[in-house]
Amino acid sequence: DAKTTQPNSMESNEEEPVHLPCNHSTISGTDYIHWYLQLPSQGPEYVIHGLTSNVNNRMASLAIAEDRKSSTLILHRATLRDAAVYYCILSLLQGAQKLVFGQGTRLTINP
Amino acid sequence: GAVVSQHPSRVICKSGTSVKIECRSLDFQATTMFWYRQFPKQSLMLMATSNEGSKATYEQGVEKDKFLINHASLTLSTLTVTSAHPEDSSFYICSARVRGTYNEQFFGPGTRLTVL
Repeated sequence: DAKTTQPNSMESNEEEPVHLPCNHSTISGTDYIHWYLQLPSQGPEYVIHGLTSNVNNRMASLAIAEDRKSSTLILHRATLRDAAVYYCILSLLQGAQKLVFGQGTRLTINP
Repeated sequence: GAVVSQHPSRVICKSGTSVKIECRSLDFQATTMFWYRQFPKQSLMLMATSNEGSKATYEQGVEKDKFLINHASLTLSTLTVTSAHPEDSSFYICSARVRGTYNEQFFGPGTRLTVL
């Protein structure tokens, strides 16, 4: 299974942009890059996904490196509600198509 | 749309009893559902993949006789923890996959199991 590497924790200030990095050097050509967040005692929530091109939605932006070996989740203007654990996951389009969660990044937002 | 529910949200049981957890996709049909377990301060660990109408596929190290999974319809999968012991206490989360061109999954709110 292709793996991802994320910093254990990051801290940012409210109303500032946040850039959450993810390395996935063993990504294969057909793996999608997904980002999910998890609030305490809740199930994960979908944030965004991409394949090759950068993606924007109402929640965030996803910047994917040209070689696809890394990506960055961008929260344009952090709020206190964005404090969560963020998981960068490669979806395996071959075989069982399962999501394998790494340790994620715990994001703290300072008021 | 794409809401997944779990029932119960939390359960406390005595050691040796069995507990059933339900996972439902409320507004879509889920051909595949996944079951995860999460211990405190840890990430989600995939337990098994459940396909409607067929036997579940368990991850390595997960006892299929202890964690019984049934996916009888396109909107319901159940996980039964048999003969539960305190070490089975955990947060159990299901997800349902939406059929499409990419592997988007929607997660339930989780079930907190405490075995006394």
